[in-house]
Amino acid sequence: EDQVTQSPEALRLQEGESSSLNCSYTVSGLRGLFWYRQDPGKGPEFLFTLYSAGEEKEKERLKATLTKKESFLHITAPKPEDSATYLCAVRPKTSYDKVIFGPGTSLSVIP
Amino acid sequence: DVKVTQSSRYLVKRTGEKVFLECVQDMDHENMFWYRQDPGLGLRLIYFSYDVKMKEKGDIPEGYSVSREKKERFSLILESASTNQTSMYLCASSSGLAGGLAKNIQYFGAGTRLSVL
Repeated sequence: EDQVTQSPEALRLQEGESSSLNCSYTVSGLRGLFWYRQDPGKGPEFLFTLYSAGEEKEKERLKATLTKKESFLHITAPKPEDSATYLCAVRPKTSYDKVIFGPGTSLSVIP
Repeated sequence: DVKVTQSSRYLVKRTGEKVFLECVQDMDHENMFWYRQDPGLGLRLIYFSYDVKMKEKGDIPEGYSVSREKKERFSLILESASTNQTSMYLCASSSGLAGGLAKNIQYFGAGTRLSVL
């Protein structure tokens, strides 16, 4: 069964304290992995898409990486405005266009 | 920029009412989706549509129906609302395979928080 898990469930960081969020997946072939950011009461906002192991994408303080079994979202020197829930989603090769979402990691960055 | 607009941010309805949630996208996307999001359960797919008048069930279609009469508009219908349908409802759209793999990303609306009393 295709599955996506994320860890940790919640993470509190001091401002400037770098860390990583994990997304692990088991799918029958990967057609794409997606990272989203979601602020409270709002819809998910697209951040990155990765397609093959070894690929990396960067945007400001965020960098996403991909291996054959997992993806990491690295946050360098976070600021309070980075506080949000980060969602990972995968599109299996067997899926026309559906994606499977993980449960998310709730990140709090304390000033 | 892709824009996905959901007609209401907040709705309060009574048990048994028929409820319509509307979603419009302005990017000529082929595919549209309805999800619900609940604490501890994440995003779950209710229905999706890959063409006008076409629809497919997602993981939790029971108690819902959908309508797609025009390419840009996708409606979610709760035929007889129940308290267990209190949730955040999210609409998304994507270009589908016609847009190429790199552009086939789901973009979300702001969400509708529905309370059924």
